[in-house]
Amino acid sequence: EPEVTQTPSHQVTQMGQEVILRCVPISNHLYFYWYRQILGQKVEFLVSFYNNEISEKSEIFDDQFSVERPDGSNFTLKIRSTKLEDSAMYFCASSAQVQETQYFGPGTRLLVL
Amino acid sequence: QKEVEQDPGPLSVPEGAIVSLNCTYSNSAFQYFMWYRQYSRKGPELLMYTYSSGNKEDGRFTAQVDKSSKYISLFIRDSQPSDSATYLCAMSAMTDALNFGKGTSLLVTP
Repeated sequence: EPEVTQTPSHQVTQMGQEVILRCVPISNHLYFYWYRQILGQKVEFLVSFYNNEISEKSEIFDDQFSVERPDGSNFTLKIRSTKLEDSAMYFCASSAQVQETQYFGPGTRLLVL
Repeated sequence: QKEVEQDPGPLSVPEGAIVSLNCTYSNSAFQYFMWYRQYSRKGPELLMYTYSSGNKEDGRFTAQVDKSSKYISLFIRDSQPSDSATYLCAMSAMTDALNFGKGTSLLVTP
């Protein structure tokens, strides 16, 4: 069964450093998403991406964040200058069409020290 | 008022019991309703997807949506220890973003 994959599974970084989180969505999906889940809190929407541009973003997704689809398979989330409060689990998701089921990856646990 | 409210539990039931999980919401624009299951330190896994009001059944799982009351439920029949996980409700309007509840932790004891 096709699945969303994410790398790395864990990342530890120093405050102020840049991190790139990588995702490989399900191959025939056209819509891609990033969510985050701070420990003990709810899963929160960050951004959606379609046709090589941002479709929608939340208030959390400020200028420190960017997304990119550098090739036909990868989808990345970059945090330019990490803060302590960026420590969270980051989930990538994809769907075949908008308003259809979003399938989530296993997540990347980011720890900012 | 939070958009999606969900009792975090924990909820502990004996094996074989019927489990009832629910969420309330405030945004009347929500039309798509989902239940995800999340095991510890894993990604959410879709269980049920419902559009608008009504019931939907899939095996041991039944999802109900009551838009007039802004209330959704997930029932699990014949619960198994492998059902022990956190159950997340999620919903969306005509947007990309899913709005999640905080999740209910379920423990099914043998």
